[in-house]
Amino acid sequence: GDSVTQMEGPVTLSEEAFLTINCTYTATGYPSLFWYVQYPGEGLQLLLKATKADDKGSNKGFEATYRKETTSFHLEKGSVQVSDSAVYFCALSGLYEDKIIFGKGTRLHILP
Amino acid sequence: GAVVSQHPSWVICKSGTSVKIECRSLDFQATTMFWYRQFPKQSLMLMATSNEGSKATYEQGVEKDKFLINHASLTLSTLTVTSAHPEDSSFYICSAGSPFTDTQYFGPGTRLTVL
Repeated sequence: GDSVTQMEGPVTLSEEAFLTINCTYTATGYPSLFWYVQYPGEGLQLLLKATKADDKGSNKGFEATYRKETTSFHLEKGSVQVSDSAVYFCALSGLYEDKIIFGKGTRLHILP
Repeated sequence: GAVVSQHPSWVICKSGTSVKIECRSLDFQATTMFWYRQFPKQSLMLMATSNEGSKATYEQGVEKDKFLINHASLTLSTLTVTSAHPEDSSFYICSAGSPFTDTQYFGPGTRLTVL
């Protein structure tokens, strides 16, 4: 079945460091790919998404490119801030399905 | 943007009692809502898909008689945890799909603690 694998955390970085959180997926067909973020004490929020190969999703300085050849959707940010501290979930949604398959989440700590 | 609310945000109950959690789409109609469960430091696990006016579709391994789902209207779905036990303690999250986008909007979650 479909699945999402993302790097385990926690990831701890200093402010202004470069961030990469790896995510790979297994799916039949051409899924849509998502990154969700969960800030402390809050619900999930959609951070960015990409619906077809080579699409780049971007939001709040974060970017991720849909790479079909490597079945990856790595999340990147050039300069992180303390306010980026949260749990990040990579997820996919199949072409004809509404339900979303999540990775286990990666906790990110940004130190001032 | 689209907003999904949940009520209550947290609940503590005694073992053996039932707890109802509400999920509402506040400014859009959602024909489909989803219920997830989140274990500490783990991912969301989809429990069931709730369709307005029909029976919910449960994921494998989820007890339908224990987790009763009702989707009575286009803006409200409820999850009832029946005869709750301490192992049911968890964070329950709902989401609703907007009919105009392919995005799901998530509620803030409900933390259930069963004593």
